[in-house]
Parts: sequence; C-alpha cells; structure tokens
Amino acid sequence: GAVVSQHPSRVICKSGTSVKIECRSLDFQATTMFWYRQFPKKSLMLMATSNEGSKATYEQGVEKDKFLINHASLTLSTLTVTSAHPEDSSFYICSATDSWETQYFGPGTRLLVL
Amino acid sequence: RKEVEQDPGPFNVPEGATVAFNCTYSNSASQSFFWYRQDCRKEPKLLMSVYSSGNEDGRFTAQLNRASQYISLLIRDSKLSDSATYLCVVNRGGSYIPTFGRGTSLIVHP
Repeated sequence: GAVVSQHPSRVICKSGTSVKIECRSLDFQATTMFWYRQFPKKSLMLMATSNEGSKATYEQGVEKDKFLINHASLTLSTLTVTSAHPEDSSFYICSATDSWETQYFGPGTRLLVL
Repeated sequence: RKEVEQDPGPFNVPEGATVAFNCTYSNSASQSFFWYRQDCRKEPKLLMSVYSSGNEDGRFTAQLNRASQYISLLIRDSKLSDSATYLCVVNRGGSYIPTFGRGTSLIVHP
C-alpha cells in the first residue's frame, strides 16, 4: 500500500513555542491531505483539509491562525502549531489520498506541551 | 444525533467467536463508507471499503444498509491479533470529507 510519513514522531516543547509537523506521501502524489487530532480514547477529529496550492479548509472550531497548514507540493503538507499550550498536547495524524476514496495515514506525531 | 455513531464496547470475545459491529450515520446523502482498524497508539489502517452489494475479505464481511443508514462489520473465527479498535468512516454527503466514528474496541482472549 501507499506510504505516508510524518516527522517528527514525537515532540516535547515548552508552552509558547511553535511546532512544525511534516506529512509526506512517499510513493504517490496526494491530491488531498487531511490533518486530524486524537485525544486519548477519543475518535479522530478532522482539523482541516489541505489541497496542494490552495488554502486549507478548516473544520468548525479549529483556529486557522493557531494551526497553520501549508501544502507546498503534491507530496508535502505541514502543520504548524503556533504558540502551543498544554491543551494542544495530543496525537496529530495526517492522511493523504490520490483518489478521494482511500486514505493512507501517517504514523502520527505525539505532541506534549509542558 | 452525531454524524457517525458506534458502540465503543469493549466487545470481549473468545478466540474463534464471531462478532459483529454496527455503525449508524446521519447523512442520507453519504456515498462512501469504510472500516479502519486502529491499534493502540498507532495510526488507523484501512480494513475494507463498504459497497452497496456488501463485500467480503477472508474472515471479514462488511455490509451497507442504506434504508436504515448503518454499516456493519462481521468478523468470523476471531484471532487474538484481531484485538484492536475498529473505526467506522463515512464520507460526508456530496463530498469526500471523512467523518470518523469514535471506534469500537474488540478484545479477543484465549
């Protein structure tokens, strides 16, 4: 199956700093990438939909100025958590698709904000 | 009503048992349905797509009931390795934007 990578896999940062997470599709060109957040024992919550070369579409309640998404190419999307706070600590997962049907998920990034 | 609802479980079954999960969705215009499997602290992995005619992959069978707006997943001859959380995914009506259920936890014991 298709491979999607995420970097870093884990990050610990101080409150107030910004954290950038990269999502790459390694063996296919992703027309769309999705960013999710998952809290322990909860479902994946879609944060935003990202299409190459255009602005991301954010879900209701997700602050676009806090969660900056850049989809620079068909194989790379980045999520920057700006001025992170402890409540932003979560498991962030991206997925990529080339067919609008099957999504391929990255391994996720665990963010801990102290 | 939530867009996608699942019984969180856990379903605790012995090896070899048959177990079934249901997932209900609220948007009658939804066209694409999937089951994903998520292991603890890992990313979801596609288990199978769900087609109108139903589909089967080995021990796994998925069915769609549009009239009642639910999809189901049947696992036969459960293995220890089937222990995981099973996520129901429904694309929003008229779009490819996915909505995840909260997942159903399955524990298969010896």
